[in-house]
Amino acid sequence: SQQGEEDPQALSIQEGENATMNCSYKTSINNLQWYRQNSGRGLVHLILIRSNEREKHSGRLRVTLDTSKKSSSLLITASRAADTASYFCATRNSGNTPLVFGKGTRLSVIA
Amino acid sequence: EPEVTQTPSHQVTQMGQEVILRCVPISNHLYFYWYRQILGQKVEFLVSFYNNEISEKSEIFDDQFSVERPDGSNFTLKIRSTKLEDSAMYFCASRSGVDEQYFGPGTRLTVT
Repeated sequence: SQQGEEDPQALSIQEGENATMNCSYKTSINNLQWYRQNSGRGLVHLILIRSNEREKHSGRLRVTLDTSKKSSSLLITASRAADTASYFCATRNSGNTPLVFGKGTRLSVIA
Repeated sequence: EPEVTQTPSHQVTQMGQEVILRCVPISNHLYFYWYRQILGQKVEFLVSFYNNEISEKSEIFDDQFSVERPDGSNFTLKIRSTKLEDSAMYFCASRSGVDEQYFGPGTRLTVT
């Protein structure tokens, strides 16, 4: 079955720096979504990118998708302490199939 | 902004007991899901529900699990006889015809 796998597993940066997290998957997808999870809390939807898109922006977030390499990256620019969380990618194979999540990247932003 | 809600936020139960986890999806959404996350692990799909029936389920979703949409607004997950390994965070999610899927805040289930 397809899996999104993020790397690095953990990332620690200083406030103001950019954070880049990567996600790889194994099979063809319809779309890929990024979520944030604060410790012990729910999953917050950040951004969706479709298989025919290469890049999307939302505020300080930039997502890229390379379907030839089966990979995506999430860039958070000018990070803040409040960005400290786990970030997950999740892929959807086709229209109504369930999302499949990766293991996540734990981001720590140090003030 | 509409959001998925879940109750209770934390449920403690003894092994062998039945639990019902409740969710209120976003009102105009058509597809409903349950996922779980064991502490420190990835989010795992349990079941999807569309048009008043299960559309897909994972191997985790065995005969001990059931889902219901009893009244057009609530969406419930029942575990008939809980095991220690059912301890996890359970997330409900919903989406409309578009692709973005929205998750609730989760119910932390602790089985003792």
